[in-house]
This record gives sequence, structure tokens and C-alpha cells, in this order.
Amino acid sequence: ILNVEQSPQSLHVQEGDSTNFTCSFPSSNFYALHWYRWETAKSPEALFVMTLNGDEKKKGRISATLNTKEGYSYLYIKGSQPEDSATYLCAPYLDTGRRALTFGSGTRLQVQP
Amino acid sequence: GAVVSQHPSRVICKSGTSVKIECRSLDFQATTMFWYRQFPKQSLMLMATSNEGSKATYEQGVEKDKFLINHASLTLSTLTVTSAHPEDSSFYICSAKTGRDEQYFGPGTRLTVT
Repeated sequence: ILNVEQSPQSLHVQEGDSTNFTCSFPSSNFYALHWYRWETAKSPEALFVMTLNGDEKKKGRISATLNTKEGYSYLYIKGSQPEDSATYLCAPYLDTGRRALTFGSGTRLQVQP
Repeated sequence: GAVVSQHPSRVICKSGTSVKIECRSLDFQATTMFWYRQFPKQSLMLMATSNEGSKATYEQGVEKDKFLINHASLTLSTLTVTSAHPEDSSFYICSAKTGRDEQYFGPGTRLTVT
């Protein structure tokens, strides 16, 4: 079983606060890392696919960085809004042969207006 | 982005019956689809990889005779939970992979076995 850890498990912030979460994963056999946002009763929505060490990607107020050598990725949300409330999942491809994602348990974000 | 549908969204069945869940890629072809299961407060656990026109690849500990997977076309994969029991009650979700290794998820199916 491959160990993908996300922290914190849950987070409550006020509207306008900036926040960040961590995803840690085994650094060997790394191929790519996916971040998803999962709102209740909806399909998980792909945010980023990151492949290179040092990658930094941005989508609006959300950005992510990747360190493949030490096995972690950070997701940042600037100026959180209530609509950012969701569970954020990271999922590395750790087995290049199988190309299947291994999910962390997610960080549940609640943004209070 | 690409859209994946899943049907039904919720199903309640009696113990011993079988339930079929459909996963469809609506606007793209997917040679590979994945089936996941999520227990409360846990992460998505991969059950099997469904390949169009060939047998599914099951993860360790997943009974292939209990969870039948059929990927008959490039846009449809089905998961049949056979002889369901209460311990099979869970949230099942599928994803479909594009040619660029992106994965798009369906909205999931909540199965309750009474």
C-alpha cells in the first residue's frame, strides 16, 4: 500500500484568509501528481497535473508547487471565498507501469462568510 | 472539461440481489476507466482498472467474481455488485482516462444494501 498523506484533515477559515495544504508521497517512481477539488454531490474536478520538480501552477486564486525529490506538494488558496469550500484531494501516479492514481484522504476546507 | 456520467446516483437494494452501475464518458472516448470505492472518512480506493475490449485488472483484495466489470465500448464501463451484502454498502465512483493521461470523474453512486 502506497502512503499518500494530506494535512490538515480539515480546515476552517474566514472569507478573505489565505490558506495552504500539504500532500506528501513517496518520492521514488514518481510520474505525476494530480490535484482535485471535490464539492459535495458533484464530481471531483481536476485542478492541476504536475510532473516536474519545481513545477508551479496557478488557476485563478489557487496555485500549487511540487517537490519530487522530497515528495511533497503544496496547494495554496489566496483570499478564500465560500465557494472554495470543498475537499481537496491529491493523487500521485506512483507506478508508471499501472498508471493508476493513489489518493490521499483529502483536506476538507470550510470557508466562513 | 470532459464529462463523465454515472448512473444511478443512489441505489438501495436487498441483500442477495445484484446491482449494476454505469459509467459513461459523454464527450470523449476512454480506453481506460477506473472504479473506486470510498468508505466513510477514508480516501478513494482503487478497485479495478477497466480496459475496453479486455478483462479488467483488479486490485489486491478485490473479488473479481463479486465486482464484475464490463467495458464493452469506448464510452461505457459497468460495475455489477453481485449478491450484495450490507458490507458492500459504500460510495462507488468511476473515472475515465483521456489520451493525455487526464482523469475525469463521475459524480459517484451511493449503494445501500439492506
